[in-house]
Amino acid sequence: AQKITQTQPGMFVQEKEAVTLDCTYDTSDQSYGLFWYKQPSSGEMIFLIYQGSYDEQNATEGRYSLNFQKARKSANLVISASQLGDSAMYFCAMRGSNYQLIWGAGTKLIIKP
Amino acid sequence: GAVVSQHPSRVICKSGTSVKIECRSLDFQATTMFWYRQFPKKSLMLMATSNEGSKATYEQGVEKDKFLINHASLTLSTLTVTSAHPEDSSFYICSARDPTSGRPGEQYFGPGTRLTVT
Repeated sequence: AQKITQTQPGMFVQEKEAVTLDCTYDTSDQSYGLFWYKQPSSGEMIFLIYQGSYDEQNATEGRYSLNFQKARKSANLVISASQLGDSAMYFCAMRGSNYQLIWGAGTKLIIKP
Repeated sequence: GAVVSQHPSRVICKSGTSVKIECRSLDFQATTMFWYRQFPKKSLMLMATSNEGSKATYEQGVEKDKFLINHASLTLSTLTVTSAHPEDSSFYICSARDPTSGRPGEQYFGPGTRLTVT
């Protein structure tokens, strides 16, 4: 069965520091996709970054990068130079069968000024 | 990027009444739409997958007679909560899949609907 595990329920980080949010996954599929979404207190889900299982390079989108370690089945999100506006819930997800998304439990990130 | 709208954003209704939530893909045709429910400080819980022109596929434990889903066109899906009760109070989010997306499986999300049943 496919599964996403996020082991950090909450994190506090000082503004301007880098932060790594952990995500491990379990799947027997050879082809899969991994997503990170941000959910601020307003509730909207904001797409951050995507990594395909066959992508040779780690994905990057501005201040976001994905540390993809296929052998370890991990897809950690790295946010460089954190900002107060980064305070939110962060969800890791994996494409499942029928194009559904399998979701992790989420990590609540709080950036301290 | 692709935009999904969802209305209403907030609704308060009395116990026993029905509430309809609309989800629209504004600039793409969504062959598949998804409905989620989210409890406070929890992850998204998939309720059902909706394909245009066919019956929705409900997840185990979701009452299909209570949560009616209609996907009548490639840009519109609706969720009707029938005979709502206070325990149905929650945050409901829809999403839509654009089959032409370069990121297979990517879902575009509506802003969500906060339902309160009194």
